[in-house]
Amino acid sequence: NAGVTQTPKFRILKIGQSMTLQCTQDMNHNYMYWYRQDPGMGLKLIYYSVGAGITDKGEVPNGYNVSRSTTEDFPLRLELAAPSQTSVYFCASSYLPGDGYEQYFGPGTRLTVT
Amino acid sequence: AQSVTQLDSHVSVSEGTPVLLRCNYSSSYSPSLFWYVQHPNKGLQLLLKYTSAATLVKGINGFEAEFKKSETSFHLTKPSAHMSDAAEYFCAVSESGGGADGLTFGKGTHLIIQP
Repeated sequence: NAGVTQTPKFRILKIGQSMTLQCTQDMNHNYMYWYRQDPGMGLKLIYYSVGAGITDKGEVPNGYNVSRSTTEDFPLRLELAAPSQTSVYFCASSYLPGDGYEQYFGPGTRLTVT
Repeated sequence: AQSVTQLDSHVSVSEGTPVLLRCNYSSSYSPSLFWYVQHPNKGLQLLLKYTSAATLVKGINGFEAEFKKSETSFHLTKPSAHMSDAAEYFCAVSESGGGADGLTFGKGTHLIIQP
């Protein structure tokens, strides 16, 4: 199993550009998550999904959109990039939420908006 | 609402000495608690988790943590630090039965190991 994979690893965007961060998991997990990590801070939840076709907002959803058309994929879209979106983005998946079922994390995408 | 406070942003210890990373939590329900480690430019790896079973939890690489409900704490310890333990450590909480809305993380503790 590859686990959770994310592409790209690094990206530089200009203000106002758009892009999609890709996330794929091969563990047949129902639950998937997008977090962002800013320097000196913990991870903050952007969006999550409890299964194909179902998504919901997390703590910091503004400026992002997600979709979940398959169990495996959970892309995150930035429509109009802003400097405040410079961050490291982590995708995660889990078999069940909370209750001790750990979340498996991808290696992250480092995004810079200038 | 749940929250996590990691009491130290940086901890420095000498190789071979004990490690203590402190974490306090706030939760309205019975929580599940986690410690993750993040090495530079890497994703997060689970060290250990508490899920309302034994209060003393053993994890990978010699780490363990004790859940103390009366103190709302879940401190991470290791008897003898190794150079490879140098990393960022995150404590996280999830409310059991509370739904699918992810983990709440602390701000992290940067562990420095002195030779």
